[in-house]
Amino acid sequence: DAKTTQPNSMESNEEEPVHLPCNHSTISGTDYIHWYRQLPSQGPEYVIHGLTSNVNNRMASLAIAEDRKSSTLILHRATLRDAAVYYCILRDVDFGNEKLTFGTGTRLTIIP
Amino acid sequence: DTGVSQDPRHKITKRGQNVTFRCDPISEHNRLYWYRQTLGQGPEFLTYFQNEAQLEKSRLLSDRFSAERPKGSFSTLEIQRTEQGDSAMYLCASSSRDPNEKLFFGSGTQLSVL
Repeated sequence: DAKTTQPNSMESNEEEPVHLPCNHSTISGTDYIHWYRQLPSQGPEYVIHGLTSNVNNRMASLAIAEDRKSSTLILHRATLRDAAVYYCILRDVDFGNEKLTFGTGTRLTIIP
Repeated sequence: DTGVSQDPRHKITKRGQNVTFRCDPISEHNRLYWYRQTLGQGPEFLTYFQNEAQLEKSRLLSDRFSAERPKGSFSTLEIQRTEQGDSAMYLCASSSRDPNEKLFFGSGTQLSVL
């Protein structure tokens, strides 16, 4: 699996937008960009995924660079419940490689 | 949808003992994954099933580890002759047939080997 690079930690104020960056310079044409997050004492949970176009859902938005070598997860209005470790993962499903390979992620702290 | 269920939530054992964990996936999901997570690290892939077939095993899965999914429903992960280095959170996840479908994770089993 191609690797991703994320900052180890970030802080944000409550009720403000948060932009979590991810670099994936070796991404291949068939890699999807997935984001999961892990709240304290819980298993990871799916946030969003995309291939080329920007994506929105009820949890977040995913902005993908035109060359696909980087992406940004956007939380539009952070709450205390968004404090978690956020993982950016590349997933190539064309070769039957369905597993997710996690890195160390970005630990997001929300300041009240 | 009752989610992915793992049992027990916590297990304390002495070095050298055998332990077994159970995972009940979401009922219609045919893919089941096991991961291991240590403090400060992301989850590490261990193994994955499609129905009852074990399709991939990580090199992390030594011969002391065995996983089964006998009827394509629940799965068990057994660790024989536990070592202190086996102390970790063991996570189970399931997903549907679509290869790009999201994974649903359980809350994990925290293993402590004394």
